[in-house]
Amino acid sequence: GAGVSQSPSNKVTEKGKDVELRCDPISGHTALYWYRQSLGQGLEFLIYFQGNSAPDKSGLPSDRFSAERTGGSVSTLTIQRTQQEDSAVYLCASSQNYGYTFGSGTRLTVV
Amino acid sequence: KNQVEQSPQSLIILEGKNCTLQCNYTVSPFSNLRWYKQDTGRGPVSLTIMTFSENTKSNGRYTATLDADTKQSSLHITASQLSDSASYICVVSESGGYNKLIFGAGTRLAVHP
Repeated sequence: GAGVSQSPSNKVTEKGKDVELRCDPISGHTALYWYRQSLGQGLEFLIYFQGNSAPDKSGLPSDRFSAERTGGSVSTLTIQRTQQEDSAVYLCASSQNYGYTFGSGTRLTVV
Repeated sequence: KNQVEQSPQSLIILEGKNCTLQCNYTVSPFSNLRWYKQDTGRGPVSLTIMTFSENTKSNGRYTATLDADTKQSSLHITASQLSDSASYICVVSESGGYNKLIFGAGTRLAVHP
Protein backbone atom coordinates (compact mmCIF):
# COMPACT_ATOMS: atom_id res chain seq x y z
CA GLY A 1 0.00 0.00 0.00
CA ALA A 2 0.87 3.67 -0.12
CA GLY A 3 1.59 3.89 3.59
CA VAL A 4 1.71 1.89 6.81
CA SER A 5 -1.78 1.01 7.91
CA GLN A 6 -2.71 0.15 11.48
CA SER A 7 -5.96 -1.13 12.88
CA PRO A 8 -7.94 -0.49 14.88
CA SER A 9 -7.17 3.21 15.33
CA ASN A 10 -8.71 3.13 18.79
CA LYS A 11 -9.36 0.25 21.15
CA VAL A 12 -10.96 0.30 24.58
CA THR A 13 -10.78 -2.96 26.47
CA GLU A 14 -11.46 -4.23 29.94
CA LYS A 15 -8.60 -5.16 32.22
CA GLY A 16 -7.76 -8.84 31.83
CA LYS A 17 -8.94 -9.15 28.23
CA ASP A 18 -6.66 -10.01 25.32
CA VAL A 19 -6.20 -7.56 22.42
CA GLU A 20 -4.73 -7.90 18.96
CA LEU A 21 -3.29 -4.96 17.05
CA ARG A 22 -2.61 -5.13 13.33
CA CYS A 23 0.02 -3.50 11.14
CA ASP A 24 0.07 -3.60 7.35
CA PRO A 25 3.46 -2.28 6.19
CA ILE A 26 4.44 -0.68 2.92
CA SER A 27 4.63 -3.32 0.22
CA GLY A 28 8.21 -4.57 -0.21
CA HIS A 29 9.49 -3.26 3.12
CA THR A 30 11.30 -6.15 4.74
CA ALA A 31 11.85 -4.54 8.14
CA LEU A 32 8.98 -3.90 10.52
CA TYR A 33 9.07 -2.38 14.00
CA TRP A 34 6.62 -2.00 16.86
CA TYR A 35 6.90 0.89 19.32
CA ARG A 36 4.86 2.03 22.30
CA GLN A 37 4.27 5.69 23.17
CA SER A 38 2.87 6.50 26.58
CA LEU A 39 1.36 9.92 27.24
CA GLY A 40 4.08 12.58 27.18
CA GLN A 41 6.82 9.99 26.72
CA GLY A 42 9.19 9.12 23.90
CA LEU A 43 8.73 6.10 21.70
CA GLU A 44 9.71 2.84 23.38
CA PHE A 45 11.03 0.06 21.16
CA LEU A 46 9.17 -3.24 21.43
CA ILE A 47 10.22 -5.60 18.64
CA TYR A 48 11.91 -5.69 15.22
CA PHE A 49 11.08 -8.05 12.36
CA GLN A 50 13.27 -8.79 9.36
CA GLY A 51 11.01 -10.74 7.07
CA ASN A 52 9.08 -13.16 9.25
CA SER A 53 11.74 -13.54 11.93
CA ALA A 54 12.25 -11.31 14.97
CA PRO A 55 15.98 -10.90 15.63
CA ASP A 56 15.33 -8.33 18.35
CA LYS A 57 12.40 -8.70 20.70
CA SER A 58 14.25 -7.21 23.65
CA GLY A 59 11.72 -4.41 24.12
CA LEU A 60 8.70 -6.57 24.87
CA PRO A 61 7.89 -5.60 28.48
CA SER A 62 6.55 -8.95 29.65
CA ASP A 63 5.54 -12.41 28.44
CA ARG A 64 2.00 -11.07 28.05
CA PHE A 65 3.25 -9.34 24.89
CA SER A 66 3.90 -11.27 21.69
CA ALA A 67 4.06 -10.47 18.00
CA GLU A 68 4.18 -12.34 14.78
CA ARG A 69 4.58 -11.56 11.13
CA THR A 70 3.42 -13.77 8.31
CA GLY A 71 4.31 -13.76 4.63
CA GLY A 72 6.83 -11.02 5.26
CA SER A 73 3.96 -8.56 5.37
CA VAL A 74 1.21 -8.09 7.96
CA SER A 75 2.17 -8.17 11.63
CA THR A 76 0.02 -8.57 14.71
CA LEU A 77 0.92 -7.51 18.23
CA THR A 78 -0.98 -9.43 20.90
CA ILE A 79 -1.33 -8.34 24.50
CA GLN A 80 -2.77 -10.97 26.82
CA ARG A 81 -4.51 -10.26 30.11
CA THR A 82 -4.27 -6.50 29.57
CA GLN A 83 -3.38 -4.23 32.48
CA GLN A 84 -4.06 -0.53 32.91
CA GLU A 85 -0.36 0.27 32.45
CA ASP A 86 -0.64 -1.17 28.93
CA SER A 87 -2.66 1.90 27.94
CA ALA A 88 -0.64 3.73 25.29
CA VAL A 89 -0.38 4.41 21.59
CA TYR A 90 1.15 1.46 19.74
CA LEU A 91 3.00 2.55 16.60
CA CYS A 92 4.21 0.36 13.78
CA ALA A 93 6.89 1.37 11.28
CA SER A 94 8.27 -0.31 8.20
CA SER A 95 11.63 0.33 6.64
CA GLN A 96 13.67 -0.30 3.55
CA ASN A 97 17.30 0.84 3.79
CA TYR A 98 17.37 4.06 5.85
CA GLY A 99 13.82 5.24 5.32
CA TYR A 100 11.29 4.72 8.11
CA THR A 101 7.56 5.19 7.62
CA PHE A 102 5.24 5.15 10.60
CA GLY A 103 1.60 4.26 10.79
CA SER A 104 -0.87 6.46 12.67
CA GLY A 105 -0.92 4.07 15.59
CA THR A 106 -3.50 2.28 17.69
CA ARG A 107 -4.59 4.08 20.84
CA LEU A 108 -5.21 1.38 23.45
CA THR A 109 -7.13 2.21 26.60
CA VAL A 110 -7.48 -0.43 29.30
CA VAL A 111 -10.29 0.31 31.74
CA LYS B 1 23.10 3.67 28.38
CA ASN B 2 22.33 5.22 24.99
CA GLN B 3 20.19 8.29 25.47
CA VAL B 4 18.72 11.16 23.50
CA GLU B 5 17.80 14.28 25.47
CA GLN B 6 15.73 17.12 24.03
CA SER B 7 15.10 20.65 25.19
CA PRO B 8 12.96 22.50 25.82
CA GLN B 9 10.23 20.06 26.77
CA SER B 10 7.63 22.49 25.43
CA LEU B 11 7.65 25.84 23.66
CA ILE B 12 5.09 28.47 22.72
CA ILE B 13 5.85 31.01 19.98
CA LEU B 14 3.89 33.50 17.92
CA GLU B 15 3.14 32.85 14.28
CA GLY B 16 5.89 34.17 12.04
CA LYS B 17 8.63 33.89 14.65
CA ASN B 18 11.65 31.58 14.47
CA CYS B 19 12.63 28.96 17.03
CA THR B 20 15.40 26.45 17.69
CA LEU B 21 15.00 23.06 19.33
CA GLN B 22 17.95 21.24 20.89
CA CYS B 23 19.02 17.60 21.01
CA ASN B 24 21.94 16.04 22.88
CA TYR B 25 22.78 12.36 22.54
CA THR B 26 25.13 9.77 23.95
CA VAL B 27 24.37 7.03 21.41
CA SER B 28 27.50 5.21 20.31
CA PRO B 29 28.47 3.99 17.82
CA PHE B 30 26.58 6.64 15.86
CA SER B 31 25.08 6.08 12.44
CA ASN B 32 22.69 8.92 11.71
CA LEU B 33 20.41 11.48 13.35
CA ARG B 34 16.86 12.22 12.29
CA TRP B 35 14.27 14.81 13.18
CA TYR B 36 10.63 13.82 13.02
CA LYS B 37 7.43 15.86 13.28
CA GLN B 38 4.49 14.21 15.02
CA ASP B 39 1.07 15.80 14.81
CA THR B 40 -1.43 14.87 17.51
CA GLY B 41 -2.97 11.49 16.78
CA ARG B 42 -0.61 10.75 13.93
CA GLY B 43 2.59 8.79 13.47
CA PRO B 44 5.95 10.60 13.24
CA VAL B 45 6.91 11.97 9.83
CA SER B 46 10.55 12.38 8.83
CA LEU B 47 11.89 15.92 8.35
CA THR B 48 15.64 15.37 7.96
CA ILE B 49 18.25 12.67 8.27
CA MET B 50 21.96 13.41 8.69
CA THR B 51 24.95 11.10 8.74
CA PHE B 52 28.21 11.64 10.61
CA SER B 53 29.77 13.72 7.85
CA GLU B 54 26.85 16.13 7.40
CA ASN B 55 26.69 19.37 9.40
CA THR B 56 23.45 20.82 8.15
CA LYS B 57 20.40 19.79 6.17
CA SER B 58 17.35 21.80 5.18
CA ASN B 59 13.80 20.83 4.34
CA GLY B 60 11.82 23.94 3.46
CA ARG B 61 11.56 26.12 6.58
CA TYR B 62 13.24 23.42 8.70
CA THR B 63 17.03 23.41 9.06
CA ALA B 64 18.83 20.78 11.12
CA THR B 65 22.42 21.00 12.27
CA LEU B 66 24.69 18.31 13.63
CA ASP B 67 27.92 18.52 15.61
CA ALA B 68 29.13 14.94 15.88
CA ASP B 69 32.07 15.96 18.08
CA THR B 70 29.90 17.45 20.82
CA LYS B 71 27.01 15.08 20.03
CA GLN B 72 24.54 17.90 19.63
CA SER B 73 21.91 18.69 17.05
CA SER B 74 19.43 21.49 16.59
CA LEU B 75 16.31 22.00 14.53
CA HIS B 76 15.62 25.58 13.45
CA ILE B 77 12.16 26.53 12.25
CA THR B 78 11.91 29.74 10.27
CA ALA B 79 8.82 31.94 9.92
CA SER B 80 6.65 29.58 11.93
CA GLN B 81 3.12 28.74 10.84
CA LEU B 82 0.14 27.51 12.85
CA SER B 83 0.55 24.13 11.17
CA ASP B 84 4.00 23.78 12.75
CA SER B 85 2.28 23.06 16.08
CA ALA B 86 3.34 19.49 16.82
CA SER B 87 5.89 17.42 18.70
CA TYR B 88 9.39 17.38 17.25
CA ILE B 89 11.34 14.25 17.97
CA CYS B 90 15.11 13.77 17.71
CA VAL B 91 16.07 10.20 16.84
CA VAL B 92 19.55 8.71 16.73
CA SER B 93 20.43 5.46 15.00
CA GLU B 94 23.11 3.10 16.25
CA SER B 95 25.55 1.80 13.67
CA GLY B 96 26.16 -1.88 13.28
CA GLY B 97 23.48 -4.52 13.26
CA TYR B 98 20.10 -3.36 12.10
CA ASN B 99 18.73 0.16 11.94
CA LYS B 100 17.83 0.50 15.64
CA LEU B 101 16.53 3.95 16.53
CA ILE B 102 16.80 5.66 19.92
CA PHE B 103 14.06 8.26 20.40
CA GLY B 104 14.08 11.44 22.40
CA ALA B 105 10.97 12.41 24.35
CA GLY B 106 10.26 15.27 21.97
CA THR B 107 9.65 19.00 22.19
CA ARG B 108 6.01 20.04 22.05
CA LEU B 109 5.73 23.23 19.99
CA ALA B 110 2.64 25.41 19.99
CA VAL B 111 2.42 28.24 17.46
CA HIS B 112 -0.14 30.88 18.40
CA PRO B 113 -1.67 33.50 16.08
